[in-house]
Amino acid sequence: KNEVEQSPQNLTAQEGEFITINCSYSVGISALHWLQQHPGGGIVSLFMLSSGKKKHGRLIATINIQEKHSSLHITASHPRDSAVYICAVRFTGNQFYFGTGTSLTVIP
Amino acid sequence: GAVVSQHPSRVICKSGTSVKIECRSLDFQATTMFWYRQFPKKSLMLMATSNEGSKATYEQGVEKDKFLINHASLTLSTLTVTSAHPEDSSFYICSARVLIADSYNEQFFGPGTRLTVL
Repeated sequence: KNEVEQSPQNLTAQEGEFITINCSYSVGISALHWLQQHPGGGIVSLFMLSSGKKKHGRLIATINIQEKHSSLHITASHPRDSAVYICAVRFTGNQFYFGTGTSLTVIP
Repeated sequence: GAVVSQHPSRVICKSGTSVKIECRSLDFQATTMFWYRQFPKKSLMLMATSNEGSKATYEQGVEKDKFLINHASLTLSTLTVTSAHPEDSSFYICSARVLIADSYNEQFFGPGTRLTVL
C-alpha cells in the first residue's frame, strides 16, 4: 500500500526559529515534491527531489532514499512562512500521493 | 519557473448548473495535466490524469460523466462539473507536467478554483 505520512500536523514557532517538517513514505518512489499552500489555497511547488539535498534561500529539502524519508527545513523563520506544507510523492507506478500537510504558524 | 493559470479563481453557481474550469500552462507545453480536489482541512486528492488528445484517466471513485475533462491542446485542459450539487463544492487544483530531459519531468501547480454550489 502506498502511504505518505507527515509530521507534525501542526507547528507553531517564534520568528527566527529553525523549523523541520518530516515526510515518510512506504515504498519506492521516483520523485518527492514539497509544496506550500497559502491560506487562500494557492499552491507553490518548492522542491522536487529524487536524491540528496536542495537549497533555495532559507529553505532546504533533503531526502534519504534508503530510509524513505524527507525533511523540509526553514531557517530563520518569518511570519510570511506561515502556510500549509505538503509532501507529495510520485511512486514508481506513476501514482501521485499527498501527505495530509503540516500547518505552520510563525509568530512575530 | 513555469506558470500554470486557472480560470476562474472563484465561482458560485446554482445547483443543477454546469461549471467549466480552465487550466493553462502559460509558457510551456505540458505533456500531462492533472486535476485534484481538496476539501476543507484535507489533503489534495487526485481526480484524473489528462493527456492531450486522449481520454482522461479517472481515479477510482471519481465519476467521469460528472467531471468531464477535455484536453484540447498541450497548453489547455478543462474540467466541467456537470449538474453541480452542493457536495461538489470544493477547491479544484490543476497541475501540468513537463518533460525537462530524458525521464526527468517537473510538475507545476495552478492557483486553484474555489467552487461553491448553492
